[in-house]
Amino acid sequence: GESVGLHLPTLSVQEGDNSIINCAYSNSASDYFIWYKQESGKGPQFIIDIRSNMDKRQGQRVTVLLNKTVKHLSLQIAATQPGDSAVYFCAENRNSGYSTLTFGKGTMLLVSP
Amino acid sequence: KAGVTQTPRYLIKTRGQQVTLSCSPISGHRSVSWYQQTPGQGLQFLFEYFSETQRNKGNFPGRFSGRQFSNSRSEMNVSTLELGDSALYLCASSLAPKNIQYFGAGTRLSVL
Repeated sequence: GESVGLHLPTLSVQEGDNSIINCAYSNSASDYFIWYKQESGKGPQFIIDIRSNMDKRQGQRVTVLLNKTVKHLSLQIAATQPGDSAVYFCAENRNSGYSTLTFGKGTMLLVSP
Repeated sequence: KAGVTQTPRYLIKTRGQQVTLSCSPISGHRSVSWYQQTPGQGLQFLFEYFSETQRNKGNFPGRFSGRQFSNSRSEMNVSTLELGDSALYLCASSLAPKNIQYFGAGTRLSVL
């Protein structure tokens, strides 16, 4: 079935580096995408979202890029800090009136001091 | 403003029993969704409620049910528990459908 997938299961970076987490989606009808961060023992924490009428959106230290042509989503984290270590999920909301999110499998980001 | 509150945080049950999990959304949020998280299957959608109505349901057996009350609080119930139901059950709330969903810390259910 259609799903959201991630290219890299684990990403290891040094503190201060920029991190890029990638996500591929297969449903061209999806019109809303969200990135979540999940730390051990906690629920997913909202990072940033983007709608399909945009290509780029920036937040504090984070940028999401959406390439609808190749159905690709990425999360860029600037000046990565040890506190950024977590599992990152991308999620898509398909073109419907529902809130239902389809999640990718997640990428573990490990930041070394 | 308080976040999404899920109770209890941890539960241990045995096969065949039933369980009820509770979720209090962020004040003012009327949309509540439930997800199951397991290491093997990841995060999977269970239900979505808005204004006390179930609007969407994921691909789970009928043993999984839920409801939403007039104050937007929601409960989900799992009957005749199976070992495979062991998971982290997450509740998320949003102001309305297709808005940002904010998650609670989850209820960790272990079925023995």
